[in-house]
Amino acid sequence: GAGVSQTPSNKVTEKGKYVELRCDPISGHTALYWYRQSLGQGPEFLIYFQGTGAADDSGLPNDRFFAVRPEGSVSTLKIQRTERGDSAVYLCASSLTFSSNGDTQYFGPGTRLTVL
Amino acid sequence: AQSVTQLDSQVPVFEEAPVELRCNYSSSVSVYLFWYVQYPNQGLQLLLKYLSGSTLVESINGFEAEFNKSQTSFHLRKPSVHISDTAEYFCAVSDGQGGSEKLVFGKGTKLTVNP
Repeated sequence: GAGVSQTPSNKVTEKGKYVELRCDPISGHTALYWYRQSLGQGPEFLIYFQGTGAADDSGLPNDRFFAVRPEGSVSTLKIQRTERGDSAVYLCASSLTFSSNGDTQYFGPGTRLTVL
Repeated sequence: AQSVTQLDSQVPVFEEAPVELRCNYSSSVSVYLFWYVQYPNQGLQLLLKYLSGSTLVESINGFEAEFNKSQTSFHLRKPSVHISDTAEYFCAVSDGQGGSEKLVFGKGTKLTVNP
């Protein structure tokens, strides 16, 4: 079946602009995660949704970052007033239920964001 | 807070040689442990995971990892590597008992298999 998809695959923007990154999880998966991977680093957790609600947003770096999942499926990560330090690959993952059940997180291909 | 240390950032080996990629974690609670692989120009894929039970877990392509609670380690091994194993490997940990759902990753180890 189809895996996790993310659009766009690449996004180049200018400092100060607003961007939206989209994630389409595997059908039927209730849990959705956003991570950020900077060059030479492993993925870092940003936010986790269970259904429509953000159950853990402790990884969002500041209030310029916001994510929604209004219908419990597709999610959008929104970044306001982008800064050069926001440049990274943004990864989305989904799992059937909870990771604490041992469910596997399946990752999408990522969106490479470049802020000039 | 949990952390994961991958001791080697790069590991070059020759084809058919054995390899060990090291991973240590810090946690005082029950944990789940994972190895993910990222092939060139592809997304992260789960290679294997430890949840409970037997401390030795295996993947379908010949990798294995052993959970060692006393040493807080989860090293990945393969007795004979192929060119196609060239990739970046990430070790990750999550809470195993209803804690945070997030994965905490190490910085990754780039495995390069040379002919």
